[in-house]
Parts: sequence; structure tokens; C-alpha cells
Amino acid sequence: EVQLVESGGGLVKPGGSLRLSCAASGFTFSSYSMNWVRQAPGKGLEWVSSISSSSSYIYYADSVKGRFTISRDNAKNSLYLQMNSLRAEDTAVYYCARDRAVAGTVNYWGQGTLVTVSS
Amino acid sequence: DIQMTQSPSSLSASVGDRVTITCQASQDISNYLNWYQQKPGKAPKLLIYDASNLETGVPSRFSGSGSGTDFTFTISSLQPEDIATYYCQQYDNLPGTFGGGTKVEIK
Repeated sequence: EVQLVESGGGLVKPGGSLRLSCAASGFTFSSYSMNWVRQAPGKGLEWVSSISSSSSYIYYADSVKGRFTISRDNAKNSLYLQMNSLRAEDTAVYYCARDRAVAGTVNYWGQGTLVTVSS
Repeated sequence: DIQMTQSPSSLSASVGDRVTITCQASQDISNYLNWYQQKPGKAPKLLIYDASNLETGVPSRFSGSGSGTDFTFTISSLQPEDIATYYCQQYDNLPGTFGGGTKVEIK
């Protein structure tokens, strides 16, 4: 069974940093592109970042470019999101998400971890 | 960036009704479009991929069509368990972008 478990969320002050982690199991992690998708309270979905299976291709939404860094460790079956210079508008539930087969189509999601940016 | 415009933003229909949601891309995305369902407090669920392909295990009352810039998502006979918010999402350009969502309620 595919499982994605996020951790690392919490309360942080504006301008602060946070690192999210996603532990994957139940599939060959090194074979799939992975993503972070977020959802602000009461709002819609926003695709944050994607990374290919071998980390060769990385994409960011314009709203986080230059502040967030996605990475993965295939030996540890783990995905990460380093978030710097956090803003109030980054407050959201962050989902770790696995692509189906083709990059850009997610068919497995974690339960999400809440990041709150507030003074 | 590719913008996805989804309409309506909300709708109310009776059980058994046919429900249609549209999604328009700001440029040609071929068939690189997915539809997701999200219930309150839950992660989204993939229903339709590549514009018209039903994900495994998804009931056949859900369907999708379209290509280029204009897409349609249909529930042929609305059921109480279909109450949710539905999102279209393009993946012609990564990272993908979502439409604003359509909240479906029972009348």
C-alpha cells in the first residue's frame, strides 16, 4: 500500500524557515516524480513544486521561486521542502503527492501538514 | 504561466441530476488535463486523467472530455456521496496549475 507521511509543519514567524519532510513507502520511490501541493485555509489547491525521479528536473510555482527548495533522497525514500523567507500567504496545508506515471498527474497524496506563518 | 478558468464556482443540484463543470485553459494544452475531487478535510482524489480517462476504481458516472483549451467534466447522475469540490489541473507546463474549483452541493 502506498503511504506518504508528511512532517515538519508548525508555527513560524514571518521571515523564518521551515523544512518539510515526506516519508514514502509501499512503492519504488526512486521511480516516480514527486510534488508538493498546498492549500490555504478555505482556498483552492496550488501546485508548489515538482522533482523528477532522479532530481534532474525541478519546477517551482512563481509564488515560491527563490524561497523554497525541493529535494529528495532516494536512498531514504524521502522528499523534502526547504522553505525560507516565509510569508503570511504561505500559510497552508502542504501535501506530499506522488505522480501516477507521467509527470504532472498525481494519484497518491499524503494527509498534509499545516504550516502557519504568523507573528 | 498557464491559467485555468473553471466554472461555475459552485452549483446546487438534485440527486440524479446531470452535472457539468467546464474548464478553460489560457493556451492550448492538448489533452494534458486532470480532474480531482476533494471532500472536506481530505486530500484530493484523482478521477479523470488525460482529459477523458477514468482512473481505476472511479465510478463510471464520472466522465471528462475536451482538448486544446476547452474541457468538460460530467457527473451523469449526481449521488449524495459526490458532494465535494472538483478541480481541473493542467500539466502541459510544469509545475501544474489548478482551476479555482467548483463546489457541488445537493439541492
